Formats: sequence, structure tokens, C-alpha cells
Amino acid sequence: EDQVTQSPEALRLQEGESSSLNCSYTVSGLRGLFWYRQDPGKGPEFLFTLYSAGEEKEKERLKATLTKKESFLHITAPKPEDSATYLCAVRAATDSWGKFQFGAGTQVVVTP
Amino acid sequence: EAGVAQSPRYKIIEKRQSVAFWCNPISGHATLYWYQQILGQGPKLLIQFQNNGVVDDSQLPKDRFSAERLKGVDSTLKIQPAKLEDSAVYLCASSSDDPNEQFFGPGTRLTVL
Repeated sequence: EDQVTQSPEALRLQEGESSSLNCSYTVSGLRGLFWYRQDPGKGPEFLFTLYSAGEEKEKERLKATLTKKESFLHITAPKPEDSATYLCAVRAATDSWGKFQFGAGTQVVVTP
Repeated sequence: EAGVAQSPRYKIIEKRQSVAFWCNPISGHATLYWYQQILGQGPKLLIQFQNNGVVDDSQLPKDRFSAERLKGVDSTLKIQPAKLEDSAVYLCASSSDDPNEQFFGPGTRLTVL
């Protein structure tokens, strides 16, 4: 059965204190790994898609990387506006229609 | 470009009552998804439509949940009767030809008392 586990569950950072979030997955062939950001009271907002081991994507202070078993979301010199829950999802190679399996998320709080 | 619209944003009902949620996807998006997000968990796919046909409803509790997508555009999700464990945020998402790009609405927060 496909499984996505995110750690830590929660992370509290000082502004400027870089850190990494982990997403480990087991899936029968990976068609894609996705990172989303979710603010309180809102729907998830797309950040990145990664397709193969070794791939990296960057956007402002965020950088996502992928290995065969896990993905990391690195937050460099975070600002308070980076506070959110970060969700990871995978899509299996056997899926024809776009079924995502989400992890439970990591809640990040960045204090000034 | 307008995003995915959902209504209502909040709903409080008693257990055993019925409730319905509405979703209007991004214009031109053929695929529509309904997710359930329980507090502290990630979204779980309930049902997926391709135009007005169902392509995946394997995780939809069919004894109480139903969904339809009229004319391949708007969709409604209904719960009848509701249980306490149905308290969650119900998210609607849509995608065009690329299912890897799913755009989410703001969700409907349901509280069942």
C-alpha cells in the first residue's frame, strides 16, 4: 500500500534559521512527488513537482530535492510569511487519473 | 483567472442531518476532485470526475456520501445522514489535461454535533 510520512509534525524556527522538512514515501513506482503549502482556512497551494531521483526545484527561499525513498523541503533564511503547513503528496506509476496520496503535513511557525 | 469556488465556507449540523457542498472548478478544467481533510491529517481523495464521469470513488463511503457533476462543470457532494466523524474540511480541486497540476478551492469546514 502506498504510504507517505512527513516529519517533523511541527517545527518552530527563528527568522533566518534554516531547516529541512522530510517526506518519506513507499509507492509502487513514482509518477510524481508534489509539495504544497497550506495556510489556515485555505486550500493547499502548489509549490513543486519532482519526477525522478536527483531532481531539485527552487522557489525563493524554498528548495525541494528527491531521492528514491524521500524528499526534502529546505527552507533557507525563513521569514514569518513562510509560516504554514507544508504537505507532501505522491502519485503512483500505476495511477492513470491523478490520484494523490498526501502525508499529514509539517506545521512550520517562523517567529521574528 | 478565477480559482476554484466552493460554498458554503462553513456549515454546522446535528448528527443524522443531511448536508450538501457545491464546487465550481476553474473554467475549462475537465477533471474535478473532492477531498476530505480531517484536522491534523492530509487531504484524502473521496471521488474524482473526468468531465461528468466518475473515474475513482474507491474511498467514498457510498452508504452515506454521494456526488454528482452536472454537465461536466459544477459538482455537489452530499452527506446523508451525517456522523460525528464526518467533521472535516471538504476540499474541491480541479485540473486540466495535466493531472499533476491540481488547483484547490478554499474548502468547506463541516462540524457535526
